[in-house]
Amino acid sequence: KAGVTQTPRYLIKTRGQQVTLSCSPISGHRSVSWYQQTPGQGLQFLFEYFSETQRNKGNFPGRFSGRQFSNSRSEMNVSTLELGDSALYLCASSSQGANEKLFFGSGTQLSVL
Amino acid sequence: GENVEQHPSTLSVQEGDSAVIKCTYSDSASNYFPWYKQELGKGPQLIIDIRSNVGEKKDQRIAVTLNKTAKHFSLHITETQPEDSAVYFCAASIGMNGNKLVFGAGTILRVKS
Repeated sequence: KAGVTQTPRYLIKTRGQQVTLSCSPISGHRSVSWYQQTPGQGLQFLFEYFSETQRNKGNFPGRFSGRQFSNSRSEMNVSTLELGDSALYLCASSSQGANEKLFFGSGTQLSVL
Repeated sequence: GENVEQHPSTLSVQEGDSAVIKCTYSDSASNYFPWYKQELGKGPQLIIDIRSNVGEKKDQRIAVTLNKTAKHFSLHITETQPEDSAVYFCAASIGMNGNKLVFGAGTILRVKS
């Protein structure tokens, strides 16, 4: 069974631009979560989507948004990029229950110049 | 807010020795505690997890213990090998709806051969 797939693997953007990251969950998984990983703040929860609806949300500004499609694939968008948005963005998928095992992809490394 | 403290931040052991990483969580409602291993350039990999109705769980050389009263949980790796060298993260579930984790800051484990 294929794992969680994230694209692109690397991205370089400049301040003020916007970016869209993509995540394909493990087949059969309906929950997709997004995390931001930085050396200073560690792993921080952004949001979770289940059945095309946002089920949980972390403490990030409104510039960070996401969505989920009917095939469970998910995208996250960051608008008006800031230097501090440089991070590894990780997507994780899980089955439909609560507090289920999370399986992570390899992430998208975003650099904002 | 919800918080997970993880110690030590770095740990060096000789090959064949045991390694122990400890975490403390703040939310008494947390009921799911996974451990992840992250290697350079990869996403976190789930290595073992435990739920609040269990005090200990073992999988070959890896074991996790949970003390709900003290809000402590620990990862034990026996007979360490060079390939165990990585960053290890503990996490605790937040809330009862969906899959939301708060992570510890991570432990860099170095196994010297």
